[in-house]
Amino acid sequence: DTAVSQTPKYLVTQMGNDKSIKCEQNLGHDTMYWYKQDSKKFLKIMFSYNNKELIINETVPNRFSPKSPDKAHLNLHINSLELGDSAVYFCASSGRQSANYGYTFGSGTRLTVV
Amino acid sequence: QQQVKQSPQSLIVQKGGISIINCAYENTAFDYFPWYQQFPGKGPALLIAIRPDVSEKKEGRFTISFNKSAKQFSLHIMDSQPGDSATYFCAASNTGNQFYFGTGTSLTVIP
Repeated sequence: DTAVSQTPKYLVTQMGNDKSIKCEQNLGHDTMYWYKQDSKKFLKIMFSYNNKELIINETVPNRFSPKSPDKAHLNLHINSLELGDSAVYFCASSGRQSANYGYTFGSGTRLTVV
Repeated sequence: QQQVKQSPQSLIVQKGGISIINCAYENTAFDYFPWYQQFPGKGPALLIAIRPDVSEKKEGRFTISFNKSAKQFSLHIMDSQPGDSATYFCAASNTGNQFYFGTGTSLTVIP
């Protein structure tokens, strides 16, 4: 049973399109995150939601919009895709009530913009 | 500003050797220091973690050494194996509110 699952795993799209990545966690965690990992493997946090409320919003173009319908889901919508958006996007979740905070990543979505 | 600084960026070690990756932090409020291991095509996965009330934690071939006064911690991989080849991230957190990750170290273990 996958703890943090994100779909799709691969996404190839043309510039200018709008796309969404979905994330779901079944760990009962209160906080969910979106990270962007570039070709140099650097993990850059984009957003953090706690119980459906936005708590971290790093400097990210407003073409990126997170949506959290409930605390188990955090989706990422990207409008007007650009070549520079190509990267691997990871969803993660954490729970302060868990031992060691239980910070868990999904398996990633590789986005390629052509 | 990078809250957690990690070095080296890449590391090549012979099979059976010791791999050492270092991290440093500034925020003394951090109370949890995990290491994550990431294989190609996978998400980072928790490898081992330590809290600042102990100076060392060992799990199998993996050991974290923690120096609170120097605000540094390191990952030691003993008897390194080709299967250990991956990218390793250190991280730090303050009560689990937010995790700050290092820039990653690409480890290659040569057979």
